[in-house]
Amino acid sequence: AQTVTQSQPEMSVQEAETVTLSCTYDTSESNYYLFWYKQPPSRQMILVIRQEAYKQQNATENRFSVNFQKAAKSFSLKISDSQLGDTAMYFCAFMKHGDEKLTFGTGTRLTIIP
Amino acid sequence: GAGVSQSPRYKVAKRGQDVALRCDPISGHVSLFWYQQALGQGPEFLTYFQNEAQLDKSGLPSDRFFAERPEGSVSTLKIQRTQQEDSAVYLCASSLAWGTGGNTGELFFGEGSRLTVL
Repeated sequence: AQTVTQSQPEMSVQEAETVTLSCTYDTSESNYYLFWYKQPPSRQMILVIRQEAYKQQNATENRFSVNFQKAAKSFSLKISDSQLGDTAMYFCAFMKHGDEKLTFGTGTRLTIIP
Repeated sequence: GAGVSQSPRYKVAKRGQDVALRCDPISGHVSLFWYQQALGQGPEFLTYFQNEAQLDKSGLPSDRFFAERPEGSVSTLKIQRTQQEDSAVYLCASSLAWGTGGNTGELFFGEGSRLTVL
């Protein structure tokens, strides 16, 4: 079974600064996908960024980028030039290739301070 | 519709009551998922449909939980004889492609149904 660990329950950062959220996972699979999902207060969860394990290049989506370290089983999310709208719960998630279910971590509550 | 719609948004039930939670996915989305999110936790997988077929129900915590999607569109999650440990937010998500988003891995989530069992 896969496990996803987010060791930072809460973080806060000043607007316009850069913040990194940590995620580690445990799996015996070699082919899988990793995700960061964002859940704003009282709003639905949305996908932020996705990484395929067989790709060495780190995924980027505008101000969001990941540092994927496959050997270390680490998948951190970097948010550059943070904005007030980035305030949310952030969940790291794992999906085995060929499977359909996501395994989520417990989340990191990120607050952007004006 | 424009997004995944869930109803009711809030439900309070007395222990032992039956509840039904509805999910209306994005039109045309093949895959539909139910997740349970307890307070302070990440979502946990309950069950998955591909069209009307329930392909995986391994996450349903007990036989009190039942889900259906009879016409391959709207889905209902039913919980019989609710217990306090059933209190959680129940999230529905849909995806256009087979499985969890196919090539994109993107699920579209509803806002959830918050169930409180007294």
